[in-house]
Amino acid sequence: GENVEQHPSTLSVQEGDSAVIKCTYSDSASNYFPWYKQELGKGPQLIIDIRSNVGEKKDQRIAVTLNKTAKHFSLHITETQPEDSAVYFCAARKGGADGLTFGKGTHLIIQP
Amino acid sequence: GAGVSQSPSNKVTEKGKDVELRCDPISGHTALYWYRQRLGQGLEFLIYFQGNSAPDKSGLPSDRFSAERTGESVSTLTIQRTQQEDSAVYLCASSARDGVYGYTFGSGTRLTVV
Repeated sequence: GENVEQHPSTLSVQEGDSAVIKCTYSDSASNYFPWYKQELGKGPQLIIDIRSNVGEKKDQRIAVTLNKTAKHFSLHITETQPEDSAVYFCAARKGGADGLTFGKGTHLIIQP
Repeated sequence: GAGVSQSPSNKVTEKGKDVELRCDPISGHTALYWYRQRLGQGLEFLIYFQGNSAPDKSGLPSDRFSAERTGESVSTLTIQRTQQEDSAVYLCASSARDGVYGYTFGSGTRLTVV
């Protein structure tokens, strides 16, 4: 089955700096890669996703890049703000009825 | 409703008792998933329902865990004879069109077994 590795497990950056979280996947048939943000006491919320037919997608301060050859994808957050502090999960899935396989999460800490 | 609704939001139970957790998915979402999240940990897959197909129970940790879903609506996760290691947040998610799109998660039920 699919295996998703996520790094780092904890990331601390200064407010205003950029943050990058990286994930790798094992199954070359995977074609959908969402990112979730989980704030304390809440369920994960989808913040951005990318499909295998594109290499990059942006939404304001966040972007996701995908390298299908290397089987890795990354989340980029620019101009970080205190409200970006949360746990971020990457995930991957194949087509059909397969579910998402999640990474173990990255605890992002924005230092004031 | 507008989102995935889970109840109760918090549950404290005595070791050995049975508990039932409820999930109301987004209307029209055919796929429903249950995950367990222990404190500070990632998302552990438990079970997956897709329409009227047989559920994927491959993630259930023991026969004390079971889940049901009525058609394409409400799902209940039952834990029998609860143990302290069952303490966790239980998250439900639903998705449209066989999960072609991302999941929408509920806020979870925090279960504490004392």
